[in-house]
Amino acid sequence: GENVEQHPSTLSVQEGDSAVIKCTYSDSASNYFPWYKQELGKGPQLIIDIRSNVGEKKDQRIAVTLNKTAKHFSLHITETQPEDSAVYFCAAVGSIKIIFGKGTRLHILP
Amino acid sequence: NAGVTQTPKFRVLKTGQSMTLLCAQDMNHEYMYWYRQDPGMGLRLIHYSVGEGTTAKGEVPDGYNVSRLKKQNFLLGLESAAPSQTSVYFCASSPGSPTEAFFGQGTRLTVV
Repeated sequence: GENVEQHPSTLSVQEGDSAVIKCTYSDSASNYFPWYKQELGKGPQLIIDIRSNVGEKKDQRIAVTLNKTAKHFSLHITETQPEDSAVYFCAAVGSIKIIFGKGTRLHILP
Repeated sequence: NAGVTQTPKFRVLKTGQSMTLLCAQDMNHEYMYWYRQDPGMGLRLIHYSVGEGTTAKGEVPDGYNVSRLKKQNFLLGLESAAPSQTSVYFCASSPGSPTEAFFGQGTRLTVV
């Protein structure tokens, strides 16, 4: 069945440094790859997404890259700030179902 | 703007009891989803619906039933609760696929 692997499960970076989270997916029919941020006690919220016809997308300090051939996609956060501390989920979407990775807990160290 | 509203926010059940979780969205979205979130397991799809009157099974449907009698509501039922169903449940909706899904605030369910 469909599967999304996400690494690392926990990531600690110094404030101001960059953070990278990586995902791989199994379903070749996946064509939409959103990233969600979940803060404590809240539901996940979309922060950036990319479609299969695009290799890279950037929105201020966050960027996502996609390698469809290798079935890899990554989230890059630059100049990290304390408010970036949260759990991040990648997901892959084919026709209907949204399949999530297991999440990455990002800690921003002062 | 309410978005996606889940009721209740917290609930404690005894093993064998039944309950229904309600998800309501006011965005006229076609697609609705129920997920459960457990530590280290991410978000796992229980059931989903692509429109009023339709439902389908996700990754972990056993022990749950759903109904979508009205477009704006998606109900998740537990007929006989088990401790393994202790989790945080999230509902989400989407105007279609593939596009952004909007999540509710979650329901924390404990089965003792």
